[in-house]
Amino acid sequence: DIQMTQSPSSLSASVGDRVTITCRASQSIFNFLNWYQQKPGKAPKLLIFDASNLQSGVPSRFSGSGSGTDFTLTISSLQPEDFATYYCQQSYRTPYPFGQGTKLEI
Amino acid sequence: EVQLVESGGGLVQPGESLRLSCAASGFTFSRSYMSWVRQAPGKGLEWVANIKQDGSEKYYVDSVKGRFTISRDNAKNSLFLQMSSLRAEDTAVYYCTTGGYRAWGQGTLVTVSS
Repeated sequence: DIQMTQSPSSLSASVGDRVTITCRASQSIFNFLNWYQQKPGKAPKLLIFDASNLQSGVPSRFSGSGSGTDFTLTISSLQPEDFATYYCQQSYRTPYPFGQGTKLEI
Repeated sequence: EVQLVESGGGLVQPGESLRLSCAASGFTFSRSYMSWVRQAPGKGLEWVANIKQDGSEKYYVDSVKGRFTISRDNAKNSLFLQMSSLRAEDTAVYYCTTGGYRAWGQGTLVTVSS
């Protein structure tokens, strides 16, 4: 099975900062990579699909890049509502595991 | 508006069974892959299973193979997860989600404890 490794597991930042979260797959998943945001007590929200495509309604300060095994999620200028936990997920081959998550804190 | 509403969660003892349901509306259910994802308390997300549009293909994470069965009723716009031989480690919020993971339900909590 494909394993997904996210880093860092937690991150402290301030409003206005540029933040990057990385995700590595144990083998090539081409561009079959999704990014999600989850706030406490809420369902996850899809931000980015196919590595770099912004889901409708998601602010343009979110962007994704990468292919093969290495991927990044970048938030260009943190807003107060962006403090949450972020997950990557491969959608290339079942099972479709998620990364362990990155908690973004003030 | 796409809506997914899970139900059927609750407290059960180890070894017992439970059936989760997900009622879908606002999109063409019969054309969408559907999945279940779970999240143990305070933990990360775990993909559990998915099912093809016509129900002909189903896939599971290893930890639930042989114990959980995903199914759907396209006539009733409903997704199901039959869970048997439940274990303490199956305790989680279970989410129903559409193909592409663009829409999610609010989740239903399953607690397995004696």
